[in-house]
Amino acid sequence: SQQGEEDPQALSIQEGENATMNCSYKTSINNLQWYRQNSGRGLVHLILIRSNEREKHSGRLRVTLDTSKKSSSLLITASRAADTASYFCAAGAQKLVFGQGTRLTINP
Amino acid sequence: EAQVTQNPRYLITVTGKKLTVTCSQNMNHEYMSWYRQDPGLGLRQIYYSMNVEVTDKGDVPEGYKVSRKEKRNFPLILESPSPNQTSLYFCASNFGGLGNSYNSPLHFGNGTRLTVT
Repeated sequence: SQQGEEDPQALSIQEGENATMNCSYKTSINNLQWYRQNSGRGLVHLILIRSNEREKHSGRLRVTLDTSKKSSSLLITASRAADTASYFCAAGAQKLVFGQGTRLTINP
Repeated sequence: EAQVTQNPRYLITVTGKKLTVTCSQNMNHEYMSWYRQDPGLGLRQIYYSMNVEVTDKGDVPEGYKVSRKEKRNFPLILESPSPNQTSLYFCASNFGGLGNSYNSPLHFGNGTRLTVT
């Protein structure tokens, strides 16, 4: 069964705006990971947040984790055209299970 | 440069003609895995390997075989491809180890787009 489910499925914003993507999962996890995929290419790891962490930052990325709600969010601040990609969450609990992704488009 | 290398990048074949997609990593990773990506279905795990000579089924193993004779290589074999195996395939690896394959970032190859007619 699907562990990570992203919301929204697609998001289109103007360059410079912030982008927020959400992920929900079903069972207890050890960690939650976010990946980026440029069109047709391999996934690239962005950030890993452990179940005992609530927030983590990496450059323009901010990830939060709420284990009571079984949800996570990825915030990209000051978006750039190069951020256009699909973003996936992957919930780590015995195995890593990927969601279907959010397709983010940054308009110049 | 640390990387996961898949070959070929694109492959068009006919039903029933055996094929192999190669995957090699140069990071001394213990854990390797194959995924397929289909529209609306996300990434689904086909097979994985915790170490040399240790492989196990993922969520969608039917019609696929794998082997792990060396630590760096993890080929995906389609003995008799069918059109429903048309997909984008990814190999991935991480340091793994018992209880750790899901606790560390995965490194992905650039994918193999397979078309079976």
